[in-house]
Amino acid sequence: AQSVTQLGSHVSVSEGALVLLRCNYSSSVPPYLFWYVQYPNQGLQLLLKYTSAATLVKGINGFEAEFKKSETSFHLTKPSAHMSDAAEYFCAVSPTSSNTGKLIFGQGTTLQVKP
Amino acid sequence: EAGVTQFPSHSVIEKGQTVTLRCDPISGHDNLYWYRRVMGKEIKFLLHFVKESKQDESGMPNNRFLAERTGGTYSTLKVQPAELEDSGVYFCASATGMNTEAFFGQGTRLTVV
Repeated sequence: AQSVTQLGSHVSVSEGALVLLRCNYSSSVPPYLFWYVQYPNQGLQLLLKYTSAATLVKGINGFEAEFKKSETSFHLTKPSAHMSDAAEYFCAVSPTSSNTGKLIFGQGTTLQVKP
Repeated sequence: EAGVTQFPSHSVIEKGQTVTLRCDPISGHDNLYWYRRVMGKEIKFLLHFVKESKQDESGMPNNRFLAERTGGTYSTLKVQPAELEDSGVYFCASATGMNTEAFFGQGTRLTVV
């Protein structure tokens, strides 16, 4: 069965520092991978997705993620954190390309940004 | 254009009572998904509608949960009778097609006491 592991339920960075949120997946087939963000009192919003094209994926708000098959990883990064980036982030995998709305999520990582 | 709307946003009920959650998808989205996040756990898939038909209900926890999507528009998720372990946040998402981006609602926080 496919699964997603997010390392670290809470990550704290200073404003302007690098953001690195880790995600590892297990999949027996090439996966579709996603990062979603949930800001306080809002729904989940798609940040970016990997669909077997370029391994480096750029998303909204300056975030990007790199698909590394050898490491089964899809870590999310942002060069410089802003206070507005404080939110909960979810990595997810779609078991099949034919139904990318059916997702397997990681447990989420709460990002705190300190002034 | 309105996004995915869920209501109520919060619901507190007693064990044994019935609760109905509602999801209004984005207009024109044939695909509708329900998810649940129990406290401290990951968000888990419950079921998937294509129009009014249940495409996949493999994630439904037990027969106390009943989902409907009459007419292929809004959907309801009824829990009857509610148990303590049903507490959590219930998310709804919709998409135009099965391989297109799913847009999520804000969720309904259900607390069973």
